[in-house]
Amino acid sequence: EVQLVESGGGLVNPGGSLRLSCAASGFVFNDAWMSWVRQTPGKGLEWVGRIKGKTDGGTTDYSAPVKGRFTISRDDSKNTLYLQMNSLKSEDTAVYYCTTNSEYHFASWGQGTLVTVSS
Amino acid sequence: EIVLTQSPGTLSLSPGERATLSCRASQSIRSSNLAWYQQKPGQAPRLLIYGASSRAAGIPDRFSGSGSGTDFTLTIGRLEPEDFAVYYCQQSGSLYTFGQGTNLEIK
Repeated sequence: EVQLVESGGGLVNPGGSLRLSCAASGFVFNDAWMSWVRQTPGKGLEWVGRIKGKTDGGTTDYSAPVKGRFTISRDDSKNTLYLQMNSLKSEDTAVYYCTTNSEYHFASWGQGTLVTVSS
Repeated sequence: EIVLTQSPGTLSLSPGERATLSCRASQSIRSSNLAWYQQKPGQAPRLLIYGASSRAAGIPDRFSGSGSGTDFTLTIGRLEPEDFAVYYCQQSGSLYTFGQGTNLEIK
């Protein structure tokens, strides 16, 4: 059974940084494409970014609002996905989900972790 | 960016009735690039339909998807109490975007 468990959310000041983690199990992690998707009451679901699996080069892509501020990485030895978030803004406040990612859709989701950017 | 517009915003129906939810894309996308999700309060979204018409593992056959080009539909054949939730479409023709959701509520 696929399990994705996010952690690292919390309250952070505008301009601050936070790193989210996602512990994965139940599938071959190092070949898997993974994404972060966030959800806000106002803007609904928003794709944040993706990292491809090792065999596909492990490259990353990001949505326009986070490009240059957020970085996705993975530690295949620990079956863990990361989201480093820098220069945080109030509009980054959301629940952040870790997902498995085929080329086309998001098959499995974690329970989410809440990030609040506020002074 | 491909924008997905879902309609209606809210759909009020009774158990046993048939539900039809619409998703319109701002430009044509391949059927392989359209998916549907269900989200219940306090839970993560769950994949229902991928490739416009293929049910994900464990999804009952009362859920069906159809469409092509810019117009796609999710149909729930006979509503069960557990089907009342928010439904989102998602495209992967140009990176990924989601529709704003349809809230399916009990009448």
